[in-house]
Amino acid sequence: QQQVKQSPQSLIVQKGGISIINCAYENTAFDYFPWYQQFPGKGPALLIAIRPDVSEKKEGRFTISFNKSAKQFSLHIMDSQPGDSATYFCAASMEYGNKLVFGAGTILRVKS
Amino acid sequence: NAGVTQTPKFRILKIGQSMTLQCTQDMNHNYMYWYRQDPGMGLKLIYYSVGAGITDKGEVPNGYNVSRSTTEDFPLRLELAAPSQTSVYFCASSYSMKTQYFGPGTRLLVL
Repeated sequence: QQQVKQSPQSLIVQKGGISIINCAYENTAFDYFPWYQQFPGKGPALLIAIRPDVSEKKEGRFTISFNKSAKQFSLHIMDSQPGDSATYFCAASMEYGNKLVFGAGTILRVKS
Repeated sequence: NAGVTQTPKFRILKIGQSMTLQCTQDMNHNYMYWYRQDPGMGLKLIYYSVGAGITDKGEVPNGYNVSRSTTEDFPLRLELAAPSQTSVYFCASSYSMKTQYFGPGTRLLVL
């Protein structure tokens, strides 16, 4: 119930392509869904986040799509660039809790 | 404004030794967290604190202890280190309950 399942484990995309990473959850009490980006040797950093009252949120080239009925959410990176090469983690938490539950991570490599 | 700082960056421990991982934040955040990151496993919450003097267990607390005597500091103590504690440890803090800011991590190797 507390798990967040993330796929794929790794992803290779050509420069300019679209990167798509998917996550699924079981606990319907989750109400906050952030994505974190982590570069090698660094700590994760918040990239973008969504609440379940909207189906999509866009910030620049990064978009979260949220499907409440399917209990799934995904990260789309448009016009992927080599600088986007990193590990991406989805996560979820409940409104009155502060504990994030993380997915296993996706290693993205954008080939130039 | 340094954000979240962690020391040391890297440490090798022998089985059975003890050590303290230091974490300090200068953002006046109430909430602080310790995670461990293992390959292919994401980040797992070890302990967290909602304010000075208040701590609680996360998902994987066994073998660790924490204290929170000040708002700024949240050290993680490993007693009797075991090879299973080989990992990268991240400290994080947040003002709201949502956006967490992570430190650069401590890489620990237990041999």
